[in-house]
Amino acid sequence: RKEVEQDPGPFNVPEGATVAFNCTYSNSASQSFFWYRQDCRKEPKLLMSVYSSGNEDGRFTAQLNRASQYISLLIRDSKLSDSATYLCVVNMWTGNQFYFGTGTSLTVIP
Amino acid sequence: GAGVSQSPRYKVAKRGQDVALRCDPISGHVSLFWYQQALGQGPEFLTYFQNEAQLDKSGLPSDRFFAERPEGSVSTLKIQRTQQEDSAVYLCASSLGTGNTEAFFGQGTRLTVV
Repeated sequence: RKEVEQDPGPFNVPEGATVAFNCTYSNSASQSFFWYRQDCRKEPKLLMSVYSSGNEDGRFTAQLNRASQYISLLIRDSKLSDSATYLCVVNMWTGNQFYFGTGTSLTVIP
Repeated sequence: GAGVSQSPRYKVAKRGQDVALRCDPISGHVSLFWYQQALGQGPEFLTYFQNEAQLDKSGLPSDRFFAERPEGSVSTLKIQRTQQEDSAVYLCASSLGTGNTEAFFGQGTRLTVV
C-alpha cells in the first residue's frame, strides 16, 4: 500500500467554483504535512504546510485529521491560474523522507 | 545559486549506457533528496542524504542506481547500464534541516532511454 493516497482526478471546474481535494496517509508516525503544486513539466513547489489546527492562506484552506489520517485542501473562487496538479506530501521526522501522493489534476475552465 | 540546480536538463541515453545526473542544492541545506517521477505519477523517493551521509537508500530500484554526496554539497545520481524503464524525470530537492522544513526542488533531469 502506498504511503499517501490521493484521488488523481481529473477535476474540471468552472471559474469561481469551490473545489476540495482529499488525501489519506498510512503511517501514523507521519509528523509533517504539506500541499505542493506542480505545473506541467515543472518542479513541485510548496503551496502550504498543513497544521493540526487547520490553516488558511487566502483562497486556500488546509485541514488535518490525525485520527482519520486524512488531509484536505479547499480552494475557493477558483482561478484559471489554479490549474495544476496538487500533491499531498507527508514527512516522518525519524527518516525525514517526504512521501508524495500521485497528485490530483485540476483544470479551471473559463 | 538562488535555487536547486540540476544538470543536464535533458538526457537521451542508449540502452546499456551509464549516465550521471548532477544536483547543486541550495547553499547551506543539510538535507538532500532524489526522486524519480514517471509520467502522470507523483515523485517516488529514491534516496536521502544528511550532509555527506546517505541515511536512506531504500527507494533505489536496483543496484544499477548509485548516489553520492562526498562533501555534503553537490550530489550525483549515477545509473549504470540504463534500461528503458529508467526513463523518467529525476528530481533533486534540498531542505535546510530535518523534520518540518520545506523541501525545494530543482527543475529535474528528463532521462529518455532509447
